[in-house]
Amino acid sequence: AQSVTQLGSHVSVSEGALVLLRCNYSSSVPPYLFWYVQYPNQGLQLLLKYTTGATLVKGINGFEAEFKKSETSFHLTKPSAHMSDAAEYFCAVSDLYNFNKFYFGSGTKLNVKP
Amino acid sequence: EAQVTQNPRYLITVTGKKLTVTCSQNMNHEYMSWYRQDPGLGLRQIYYSMNVEVTDKGDVPEGYKVSRKEKRNFPLILESPSPNQTSLYFCASSFVGDEQYFGPGTRLTVT
Repeated sequence: AQSVTQLGSHVSVSEGALVLLRCNYSSSVPPYLFWYVQYPNQGLQLLLKYTTGATLVKGINGFEAEFKKSETSFHLTKPSAHMSDAAEYFCAVSDLYNFNKFYFGSGTKLNVKP
Repeated sequence: EAQVTQNPRYLITVTGKKLTVTCSQNMNHEYMSWYRQDPGLGLRQIYYSMNVEVTDKGDVPEGYKVSRKEKRNFPLILESPSPNQTSLYFCASSFVGDEQYFGPGTRLTVT
């Protein structure tokens, strides 16, 4: 089974500052990689995904993530945080041998200070 | 409107009383899945289904059953709920290999 590690269960940034949320996964062979966002009392919404091709992936709301195979990482960034970005963010990966199975990280709650 | 619906949204029940959480999608997706979300653990996959009558275990299937008799519906069944199944449950659907669309969640408390 894959494991997904998100460093920092809570991250706090000031409005306008860089957002960096970290995600590392366990396998040396790249699976499919995802970032989801969850607003309070809602389901999850896809921000972006990496399957193959370009390693820098752009998503919705100005977020992007870079797949680094050598570091087994898929960190999420946004150049300038908005108050509306406050939410919980989950990194997820597919199983290496079964793309129908998914493993999620424990989540990072992003707080944006005015 | 394209959506995944779950019912009920909130449920409090007692140990051992069978319950079913329904999930329905109107996007003609082949793939459907159930997850549970617990604080500090993120989401863990319970079961998934590739299509009608095709289901398989996820990471934490113990204590749960599913069925897929129609493409749009994927109910989650707890035959004998226990307190450790108190959790927030999400249903999701997608075309195979594509973005998953999540329902609004069902908060289950087992006393």
